[in-house]
Amino acid sequence: DQQVKQNSPSLSVQEGRISILNCDYTNSMFDYFLWYKKYPAEGPTFLISISSIKDKNEDGRFTVFLNKSAKHLSLHIVPSQPGDSAVYFCAASADNYGQNFVFGPGTRLSVLP
Amino acid sequence: DVKVTQSSRYLVKRTGEKVFLECVQDMDHENMFWYRQDPGLGLRLIYFSYDVKMKEKGDIPEGYSVSREKKERFSLILESASTNQTSMYLCASTPRPLQGATNEKLFFGSGTQLSVL
Repeated sequence: DQQVKQNSPSLSVQEGRISILNCDYTNSMFDYFLWYKKYPAEGPTFLISISSIKDKNEDGRFTVFLNKSAKHLSLHIVPSQPGDSAVYFCAASADNYGQNFVFGPGTRLSVLP
Repeated sequence: DVKVTQSSRYLVKRTGEKVFLECVQDMDHENMFWYRQDPGLGLRLIYFSYDVKMKEKGDIPEGYSVSREKKERFSLILESASTNQTSMYLCASTPRPLQGATNEKLFFGSGTQLSVL
């Protein structure tokens, strides 16, 4: 059973609008969450992270929200740009030594010009 | 910038061949990982290593082995390649954080797309 779920395999958004990518997890021991972006034929690149002691983290156009009680996090991209079109992976970690990251299946975002 | 280098971008191998995937990182990171990425399944951990000559099984180690003889190099070995091992293979590294430091993030290589025919 997947511990990290991204229930939307794909998402299409108009350029300039908000993109919201969702992620749910089942393991209450997870205390650190990351979002990665991946273009075809390239390795994933780190986007933004959040610790469980926070409920929001912002970096430019990217904001991650964490709702621990619901075991849910979301990534907001505002405004969306065509260059944001990629697969986005949510990942979670249950320890402080960076060894056990569990990834979701990914959501393919298409930003339409 | 951290650089994680995977020796091949594309590989085509025959069923039954022994396959070596090489990964080198240049930032003196303690932890190194091998993942495979398949559509709809995300990234699944095959093996990881937290020190030279140390290795730990991930979620899907069957059919694979690894070698970490030097800190900067982590090799993935497919002992006898099979068609179900056709996949994108991703190497990653991360430093061991100091106590009390914020959690570190994974740095990925560009990936190796392996096709087993």
